[in-house]
Amino acid sequence: GQQVMQIPQYQHVQEGEDFTTYCNSSTTLSNIQWYKQRPGGHPVFLIQLVKSGEVKKQKRLTFQFGEAKKNSSLHITATQTTDVGTYFCAVNQGGKLIFGQGTELSVKP
Amino acid sequence: SQTIHQWPATLVQPVGSPLSLECTVEGTSNPNLYWYRQAAGRGLQLLFYSVGIGQISSEVPQNLSASRPQDRQFILSSKKLLLSDSGFYLCAWSTFGQHREKLFFGSGTQLSVL
Repeated sequence: GQQVMQIPQYQHVQEGEDFTTYCNSSTTLSNIQWYKQRPGGHPVFLIQLVKSGEVKKQKRLTFQFGEAKKNSSLHITATQTTDVGTYFCAVNQGGKLIFGQGTELSVKP
Repeated sequence: SQTIHQWPATLVQPVGSPLSLECTVEGTSNPNLYWYRQAAGRGLQLLFYSVGIGQISSEVPQNLSASRPQDRQFILSSKKLLLSDSGFYLCAWSTFGQHREKLFFGSGTQLSVL
């Protein structure tokens, strides 16, 4: 089945530093989604990428989909304490969403 | 607007006891429904999904079962809980088409089996 590798597992940054998490697949993806889970909360949908080379921005968050549609990244510029949580990518497999292992972001004020 | 309800929020059960977690969705019809488990606060493992009443697909062999007695109701059950069943259980729904399988999650149930 579809597998997606997400790195790093953990990232500790000082407030104001940038943060990036990556997802990689061995097969071509039809689309990729990103979710954020705050500590103690449930995952919340952030965005979906569909097109090869697509770049989307949400304020300080930049999402990219690789040209070959096999990888994706989420970059946060100038992190804030509100960015704390675990970020997941998710890929579609026959109508089911399979999640990466997530990257846990902690931000030191 | 659509809402998803999941209860209870926390549950402590002894080993060998039964389990029933319920999830209901409002404001949409014929949703796809999912049960995920999250162990140790990390990855999300898909347990079951359903595309319609009575239609359940199991993703991993385990001590759990799922049922969908009504269009917008999804139940996760076990006859005898194991220690390894502890975790954070999340129900989710999606629809095809506009949202392209975008998932909306319930608030989750933290299950501790002791």
